[in-house]
Amino acid sequence: QMQLVESGGGVVQPGQSLRLSCAASGFTFNSYGINWVRQAPGGGLTWVALISYDGSNKYYADSVKGRFTISRDNSKNTVFLQMNSLRGDDTAVYYCARACSGAECYPHAYYYYGLDVWGQGTTVTVSS
Amino acid sequence: DIQMTQSPSSLSASVGDRVTITCRASQNTYNNLNWYQQRPGKAPKLLIYTASSLQTGVPSRFSGSGSGTDFTLTISSVQPEDFATYYCQQSYNTPYTFGRGTKLENK
Repeated sequence: QMQLVESGGGVVQPGQSLRLSCAASGFTFNSYGINWVRQAPGGGLTWVALISYDGSNKYYADSVKGRFTISRDNSKNTVFLQMNSLRGDDTAVYYCARACSGAECYPHAYYYYGLDVWGQGTTVTVSS
Repeated sequence: DIQMTQSPSSLSASVGDRVTITCRASQNTYNNLNWYQQRPGKAPKLLIYTASSLQTGVPSRFSGSGSGTDFTLTISSVQPEDFATYYCQQSYNTPYTFGRGTKLENK
């Protein structure tokens, strides 16, 4: 079945770096955009970043622009989120999610889709 | 950025009740509006996309309506498994933005 599995979370000090991975299975990975969404403890959902199906287009929330980098390796069915200069307010559960809505999705339309397949999340804690 | 204002923030209902949650966008989203359900400790689940389309596998008691800037999610007859938090999200323009959530509680 379609699955996304995040890894790479942990406890780091402010200013340090972390790289999250999102491994996909059960679908044609290189046909879908992939998002990262985070959720602070007790809080709501916040969108972080989006990468197009081929990696040519990337979009970021203002709060992470210049510090986080999204990338993908379609040969390994994996998306990455490199997080540098981490701050306390980056503490959250980080989810990756596939951009697709309904029964059929088209690679070039990735930008407007809802998020239909989510991973279980990986926890990032930034604390001194 | 498009701001999403969701109301109410919490809602008490009994099994069998009809409930409605509203979401207002600060500008036109051209119906690129999605609804999610999140149970405690779990990842969100897509319920409704493009304002009114039911995601595959989602029970028909869930429905969405609205256009432009004003949207609603309706549960026609609340079931025990529906007590959860619900979020709207616009996917018209990055940064994508979510509403602050509506927690549906058992009365």
